[in-house]
Formats: sequence, structure tokens, C-alpha cells
Amino acid sequence: DAKTTQPPSMDCAEGRAANLPCNHSTISGNEYVYWYRQIHSQGPQYIIHGLKNNETNEMASLIITEDRKSSTLILPHATLRDTAVYYCIVRAGGGNKLTFGTGTQLKVEL
Amino acid sequence: DTAVSQTPKYLVTQMGNDKSIKCEQNLGHDTMYWYKQDSKKFLKIMFSYNNKELIINETVPNRFSPKSPDKAHLNLHINSLELGDSAVYFCASSQDEGASSGYTFGSGTRLTVV
Repeated sequence: DAKTTQPPSMDCAEGRAANLPCNHSTISGNEYVYWYRQIHSQGPQYIIHGLKNNETNEMASLIITEDRKSSTLILPHATLRDTAVYYCIVRAGGGNKLTFGTGTQLKVEL
Repeated sequence: DTAVSQTPKYLVTQMGNDKSIKCEQNLGHDTMYWYKQDSKKFLKIMFSYNNKELIINETVPNRFSPKSPDKAHLNLHINSLELGDSAVYFCASSQDEGASSGYTFGSGTRLTVV
């Protein structure tokens, strides 16, 4: 599975949009982009995933560039409870191993 | 109605002991996993079972032995515990219908070896 690069940390004001970038320049055509987050002392939580098209669900939006070499996770109105480590992972279709990197520590502040 | 439940939540034990961590999922998923998160917060996969069969073993010492009595359970037994085994262990499950399946994680078991 392709590797990803994320900034180690980011800050965001409560109520503002949090935009978390991820580079995956070596992504293959059959690899999906997944986002998970881990709130302190809890198990990782699935957020969203996509292949080519932008995706939106009740938690977040995922914007994937046309060349698929990077993506951005958007939390439209960040709250204090969104403070967590966010992991961007690329994973081949049908593959069953989810490999975590170091992620981005997002801190949402008042 | 917890989806993936692990017991115990905390486990403190002495070096050399043998201990087990249990995991159960009620999601009807076919695949279960064990992950280890060390003190540097790095999450690493250890094992994966699909319908009671081992499919991933990430060069984990053979002191660690997973056992899956049925597809809803994946237990982790650790022999001769060492200080370096101290970590948080997470169980997870997925349906594995292509890439659309997300993983559901348990809340973790914090193992401390003294």
C-alpha cells in the first residue's frame, strides 16, 4: 500500500472548518483513501473514504485532487470533541490490512 | 449494544506471567484483527483472522498466540510476558466486502507489565 505524508500537528478554532491535508503521491489506481481518527485513549474511528470522487457524510467531507496524489479531510464546523489524531491511509481494493502512519494531531481550541 | 468489546480494559501483571485478552464483535463481520499501540502511539497490526482462519501474522513473537473459536471472537494469549509487551492492544473487525469496508475498533486493553 502507498505511503502517506501528513503534517504532525494542526490547530483550529472551534466553529471553524478544519482542513487536514494528506499527500499520497505514489497512490495506485486501485487504492482508496481512508481517514480515521483516534480520540485520546479510545480506539480509532472510521470517518470516510473515497477513490476518485469527492465524498461527504455526516462527519466530514473528503476532497481528492484530480491526479489523486493528495487529499483533504474537511471537518466543516470543528468542535472541541474533534480534538484527536487524524490518520490518512491508502489501501488497495479488496486488501484487508489497514496500515497506520503517524497522523496529524488536531487541536481544536476555543 | 457495543459493536466490538474487549476485556479486560486494564491489565497489570508481572514479567513472566501468561495472560489473555478477549474480543467479541456483534456486527456479523467476517474478519477480525489485533493491533498494538506502543508508548510512542504508533499503531501496528499484529494478526488478522478471516472466518476463524489466520491470514495475517506480522512477525509477532510466538509468545503471542491468537485464537478464534468462531468468527465473532478473537482472543489474544500472551506467554512469558516481557516489559516490552506493555502497550494498548486494540481489537477490530471488518466485513471486507472489497475496499468499502471500514474497520470498527474496540476501546482497547491497556497492558502494563511490571
